[in-house]
Amino acid sequence: EVQLVESGGGLVQPGGSLRLSCAASGFTFSSYSMNWVRQAPGKGLEWVAYITSTSGTIQYADSVKGRFTISRDKAKNSLYLQMNSLRAEDTAVYYCARDENTRVRGVEVVHSYYYMDVWGKGTTVTVSS
Amino acid sequence: IQMTQSPSSLSASVGDRVTITCRASQSISTYLNWYQQKPGEVPNLLIYGASSLQSGVPSRFSGSGSGTDFTLTISSLQPEDFATYYCQQSYSTLYTFGQGTRLEIK
Repeated sequence: EVQLVESGGGLVQPGGSLRLSCAASGFTFSSYSMNWVRQAPGKGLEWVAYITSTSGTIQYADSVKGRFTISRDKAKNSLYLQMNSLRAEDTAVYYCARDENTRVRGVEVVHSYYYMDVWGKGTTVTVSS
Repeated sequence: IQMTQSPSSLSASVGDRVTITCRASQSISTYLNWYQQKPGEVPNLLIYGASSLQSGVPSRFSGSGSGTDFTLTISSLQPEDFATYYCQQSYSTLYTFGQGTRLEIK
């Protein structure tokens, strides 16, 4: 069974740090790009960070750039999110999500579509004093 | 790239045909995905590439559009369809979601 399991969430004071983990199983983790997506209480989805299969390309949302670091470990089939200088507005459920792609032939070109097809159940981060 | 959904909320009845709109701040070709999220659950992919139905998703869901304007249509609402729907662009790897459309029972 394809599965993603997040861990590492908890209560942290403003300015503190936390490291989230996401354990992948049931698929070849090293072949996929991965994402972190978060959802503040009662709010919508916010994409946080992206990393390619080789870690060659890494992207961050402006809201976390310079404070969060995404990484992965092929040997451990795991994805990580190091979160520093945490703020109250970082309070959210953090999901890891697999980035899948499918090639579709259009009229004149072939499109390579990317989408998040497998999600973990999330881990909750609360930033509060 | 900013994604704007309308309406933010919508009340409808079982059997209704419902359309949700998503607009991108710049052209994203057909690099648009739709997700459904039920309360307390994880987001579930419905549509990718603006109109391709994800495996296992009922055929009453359909997507259309290109450039900046997109729609998600549910042809005949079922009780299990009452949820929040999000669009997401994948034209840029700086992914962005719409703010969501909450679909409620009338």
